[in-house]
Amino acid sequence: SQQGEEDPQALSIQEGENATMNCSYKTSINNLQWYRQNSGRGLVHLILIRSNEREKHSGRLRVTLDTSKKSSSLLITASRAADTASYFCMADSWGKLQFGAGTQVVVTP
Amino acid sequence: IAGITQAPTSQILAAGRRMTLRCTQDMRHNAMYWYRQDLGLGLRLIHYSNTAGTTGKGEVPDGYSVSRANTDDFPLTLASAVPSQTSVYFCASQRDEGSPLHFGNGTRLTVT
Repeated sequence: SQQGEEDPQALSIQEGENATMNCSYKTSINNLQWYRQNSGRGLVHLILIRSNEREKHSGRLRVTLDTSKKSSSLLITASRAADTASYFCMADSWGKLQFGAGTQVVVTP
Repeated sequence: IAGITQAPTSQILAAGRRMTLRCTQDMRHNAMYWYRQDLGLGLRLIHYSNTAGTTGKGEVPDGYSVSRANTDDFPLTLASAVPSQTSVYFCASQRDEGSPLHFGNGTRLTVT
């Protein structure tokens, strides 16, 4: 079963809008990571948030983590066409890694 | 440029044939992984290696084998390919437990 599960499965927005996607996981974690995958390419690491952190920023990315609800969210602000990709969360339970099924984001100009 | 190289980028293979997917990293990372990615199923772990000389089974290991003779290389072998092994295969490496994964660009395999 998937440790990380995401919603929505797909998201279509216009340039300049914000995109929010959510991830839920089942067991306690050491950290949670978010990755982006462009079509036909491998996953690229975006941001890592540790279990003792509640919020983290990197450029236009904002990640939150709520360990009591076993959930995380990724916010992309002021989206661009180049943000079109699939986004995956990965729950790291001290070496046991589980990926969610991903959220497909399409940003239209 | 440091990173992970996978070869071939794509392959069409007749059922029953043997195939080895190659993966090489030049970052001296300890751990390496093989995933398959199928539409609607996300990424599923096939095999992993925490360090050179050791390997372990992931979620879907049947029909696949791996070896880790040295730090850099982690080949994945399909002994006798079946159509259900049609997928995109990704190799990844990780410096230490808890650090981010680095992925190759995948091998698209079609078994006919």
